Order: sequence, then structure tokens, then C-alpha cells
Amino acid sequence: DQQVKQNSPSLSVQEGRISILNCDYTNSMFDYFLWYKKYPAEGPTFLISISSIKDKNEDGRFTVFLNKSAKHLSLHIVPSQPGDSAVYFCAANMGGGSNYKLTFGKGTLLTVNP
Amino acid sequence: DTAVSQTPKYLVTQMGNDKSIKCEQNLGHDTMYWYKQDSKKFLKIMFSYNNKELIINETVPNRFSPKSPDKAHLNLHINSLELGDSAVYFCASSPYQGANEKLFFGSGTQLSVL
Repeated sequence: DQQVKQNSPSLSVQEGRISILNCDYTNSMFDYFLWYKKYPAEGPTFLISISSIKDKNEDGRFTVFLNKSAKHLSLHIVPSQPGDSAVYFCAANMGGGSNYKLTFGKGTLLTVNP
Repeated sequence: DTAVSQTPKYLVTQMGNDKSIKCEQNLGHDTMYWYKQDSKKFLKIMFSYNNKELIINETVPNRFSPKSPDKAHLNLHINSLELGDSAVYFCASSPYQGANEKLFFGSGTQLSVL
């Protein structure tokens, strides 16, 4: 039962362009969403999050958009840099972020070409 | 100085064997976790301990037994290994329960059961 879906296993973009990574969820009880980034042979690291009371959160080159009616969120990276090449995991939980059981998607491999 | 370290990084073993994976965090965090990334790439929580006390057990077979001798360590012992146990196991820690944005992951242990 995939409650968090990342339907694109991979994405390739040119350096300097925008990267858009998508995530869909099925559980309407989810109210807190996070993106984690993972380099090969390393563990995931937290990147950015958004609460369901917002529709946008921005941190430097990274912006997360949330569309609750569509149960969809996206991560925008502008401008993309080669160092952004990694696997990006979407994750969700309920309870305003206080629940400690994150549900992760399968990840999307982003490759940024110089 | 690695914040969350787990050993070994690779573990190749035969079916039926018993093996352990060790995890240590030097961040002073109260909560530690074990996550499993299976062949379909989903990251799923297995266990969570808070101050040495078990708080999450996600219907993991009882062949898997976590042990937390102190709040800086959470080891995972697996009895009678099966082919389906092959996966990457990630240890993680957070300052307190529910600190999902502050999950620090180890670099993973790739377990291969032959």
C-alpha cells in the first residue's frame, strides 16, 4: 500500500535550469510533508518541509509546493547545480509533525548535467 | 567525526545465520530508529527507541531484536536470516520523539543473504 508515491524514478536536467520533483499521497490524514536528499553510500539528510496549513515553503534555491486538494506536492530547485545530483525522497506524517513515523516514497534520482 | 555510525557497512551471510548490526550516535539525541530500505526502494521504519525504551515496533518479525544498552546505542540482531531480509538497513537518531526534521541517518548497512 503505497501511501506516498514518487512516480518518476529519475529526472535529468541541465545545470542552471529548474528541477521539479513530484510526489503524490493517498492518506488524507497526512498533514506534514518533508523532502530528504540522499547521496550514494550515505544516509538521507533533511532538506525542506511544509505543513498542510501552508501551500508553499521556500529555503534558498529550494521551494516546496503543496496542493492539498490534489494530494500533491512538488520540490522545485532553481537554479539546479551538479551538486544537487542525488536521490530525493518525499516523506509524510500526521499529527502536525509530532508523529515519529515517517512514510517515505521510493525516491527520484535527480541528475544535473554540467 | 561521524554523527551516526553503523557497522558493518556490508554484510554478506548465508540463510539461517544470526547477525548483528551496531549503531552509535554521538549527538546526545534521545531517540534512535532502525529503518529498512527494501528492493523496491521504500524506506520503512522498523523500530524506535526513546531513552532506551521501545516506542515503535512496526510488525517486524520477532527474528529481529533491537537492543539499546544506552541512549547512544541501538543495535539490531537478526536471527535465522532469510533471503527476504536482504536490504539496506539505516540507523537514525533525533533529539526527541517526533523531531522528523532532525532525523540524522547513518550511512546504511547493505545486508545480502545468500
